[in-house]
Amino acid sequence: KAGVTQTPRYLIKTRGQQVTLSCSPISGHRSVSWYQQTPGQGLQFLFEYFSETQRNKGNFPGRFSGRQFSNSRSEMNVSTLELGDSALYLCASSLKPGQGVSYNEQFFGPGTRLTVL
Amino acid sequence: ELKVEQNPLFLSMQEGKNYTIYCNYSTTSDRLYWYRQDPGKSLESLFVLLSNGAVKQEGRLMASLDTKARLSTLHITAAVHDLSATYFCAVDDTNFGNEKLTFGTGTRLTIIP
Repeated sequence: KAGVTQTPRYLIKTRGQQVTLSCSPISGHRSVSWYQQTPGQGLQFLFEYFSETQRNKGNFPGRFSGRQFSNSRSEMNVSTLELGDSALYLCASSLKPGQGVSYNEQFFGPGTRLTVL
Repeated sequence: ELKVEQNPLFLSMQEGKNYTIYCNYSTTSDRLYWYRQDPGKSLESLFVLLSNGAVKQEGRLMASLDTKARLSTLHITAAVHDLSATYFCAVDDTNFGNEKLTFGTGTRLTIIP
């Protein structure tokens, strides 16, 4: 079974631009979560989508947004980029309790490394 | 707000030695996960612990969960260089149907020959 895929793997943008990152979950997984990882702040939760609905949201400004499509693929968008948005953005997919499992083990993609200049 | 704390943050140990990483959390969750991250790479799932007293072992790594103490441990036995990585624990907010993982700060483990 193919794992979680993310595109692009690397991205360089300048301040003020916007960026869209894509994530394809493991087949059959309907939950997709996004995380930002930086050396200073560690791994921080951005949001989670399940069946095209945002179920949870982390403490990030409204410049960070996302969506999920009917095939469970997800995109996240960051508008008006700032230098501090430079990070590794990780996507994870999972089954949810009730889909034949009783837990929330998440499987991570390789990440998109975003550099803002 | 759920808080997950790991200690130590950094750990250097010699090959062949034993050590333990600790993960404390602030909620009553009984679902805890351990992940490994190699430099520049993504996170790999190591263990899923689903009940009080759960113990899982894989090779030189053993994880346990004490939900009463809100504590999980990751024990490394006779460390080898290949175990050098950053290890994260993560806890489920047990709001059924609306689970969210909260990750600890990570423990960067370096095994010295």
